[in-house]
Amino acid sequence: EVQLVQSGAEVKKPGESLKISCKGSGYSFTSYWIGWVRQMPGKGLEWMGIIYPGDSDTRYSPSFQGQVTISADKSISTAYLQWSSLKASDTAMYYCARLLGMDFDYWGQGTLVTVSS
Amino acid sequence: EIVLTQSPATLSLSPGERATLSCRASQSVSSYLAWYQQKPGQAPRLLIYDASNRATGIPARFSGSGSGTDFTLTISSLEPEDFAVYYCQQRSNWPPTVTFGQGTRLEIK
Repeated sequence: EVQLVQSGAEVKKPGESLKISCKGSGYSFTSYWIGWVRQMPGKGLEWMGIIYPGDSDTRYSPSFQGQVTISADKSISTAYLQWSSLKASDTAMYYCARLLGMDFDYWGQGTLVTVSS
Repeated sequence: EIVLTQSPATLSLSPGERATLSCRASQSVSSYLAWYQQKPGQAPRLLIYDASNRATGIPARFSGSGSGTDFTLTISSLEPEDFAVYYCQQRSNWPPTVTFGQGTRLEIK
């Protein structure tokens, strides 16, 4: 069974750093792109970027380029999304999802990130 | 950059009725369009891929159609569990981007 399991909710202060994770299982982790999607409270889905764990080829949405870093450790089938300096506007639910062809067929359960002083 | 525009923003219908949701692309995406359903507190779920193919386990009352710039998601007879938010999505290989529509909220009338 394909599963993407994300790390737990985080509460951080502005200016702090954060790295959240997404662990894949039940399939060949290195053979599929993994994407990250942001959903701000009460809003729609925003694509942040994708990574191919096989060679760490990474593509970012122009809206998120330079704001976050996407990485992967194929030895432990885990993708990451990290911030070096969080802002209150980073408060959102973050989803990882497996990209099959042109669409996301499996999704993680989401990681809620709250940034507040 | 391709923009996806969904209409209507909100659709109010009763169980048993037919729902028709629209997604329009700012330029042709061929048939590379997907639809997702998202219920409160849940991750999105893939319903339709390549414009008209139902994903695994999706009931036959869900169907997708269209190509080029105009796409439709149809729910033939609404069940109570179908009231949710629906998003369309496309992916381009070059530039490598993914775009979501802004969503259509399907609510009980």
